Amino acid sequence: GAVVSQHPSWVICKSGTSVKIECRSLDFQATTMFWYRQFPKQSLMLMATSNEGSKATYEQGVEKDKFLINHASLTLSTLTVTSAHPEDSSFYICSASWGQEAFFGQGTRLTVV
Amino acid sequence: AQKITQTQPGMFVQEKEAVTLDCTYDTSDPSYGLFWYKQPSSGEMIFLIYQGSYDQQNATEGRYSLNFQKARKSANLVISASQLGDSAMYFCATTNTGFQKLVFGTGTRLLVSP
Repeated sequence: GAVVSQHPSWVICKSGTSVKIECRSLDFQATTMFWYRQFPKQSLMLMATSNEGSKATYEQGVEKDKFLINHASLTLSTLTVTSAHPEDSSFYICSASWGQEAFFGQGTRLTVV
Repeated sequence: AQKITQTQPGMFVQEKEAVTLDCTYDTSDPSYGLFWYKQPSSGEMIFLIYQGSYDQQNATEGRYSLNFQKARKSANLVISASQLGDSAMYFCATTNTGFQKLVFGTGTRLLVSP
């Protein structure tokens, strides 16, 4: 299957700082990537759909200015959590669709202290 | 809008036995896909099996099979000959035509005992 690489796998940052998470499709071109957030023992909630060369489409209730998404190329999408606060601590995971399947990155565990 | 319902928060099964994880869905799209993913404690999402809404036969992938009943809008996952390594969270998900997004259920935690 196709490979999606997400980096970093975990990060600890101070409150008020920004954190960038990268999602790369390694062996295929992904015109569309998805960003999810998962709280402990809960399901994955779609945050936004990232489209190469255009603005991301955010789900209702997701703050566009806090969660900046950039899909600069067909293999890279980035999620930047700006001015992070402890309530932003969560597991963030990206995915890319290829054909009829969706492939996921390894996820990033963000802890804001 | 699509919706996935997984009514079993947790399931227990003994090693080598079969187990069925329930999933019902609701969608207004005429064409859709149904997925099952496994999420171990490490957090990665592992693709298990896919069923297209127009597929005539139930999907199978090794020990995994999907019991697709379109009229009942159910897509249960059957794991045969359970192994200790099958202990994990299992998520059912659906997508619409054009794969615009995946919608996940709340998941079922499976525990396989020796």
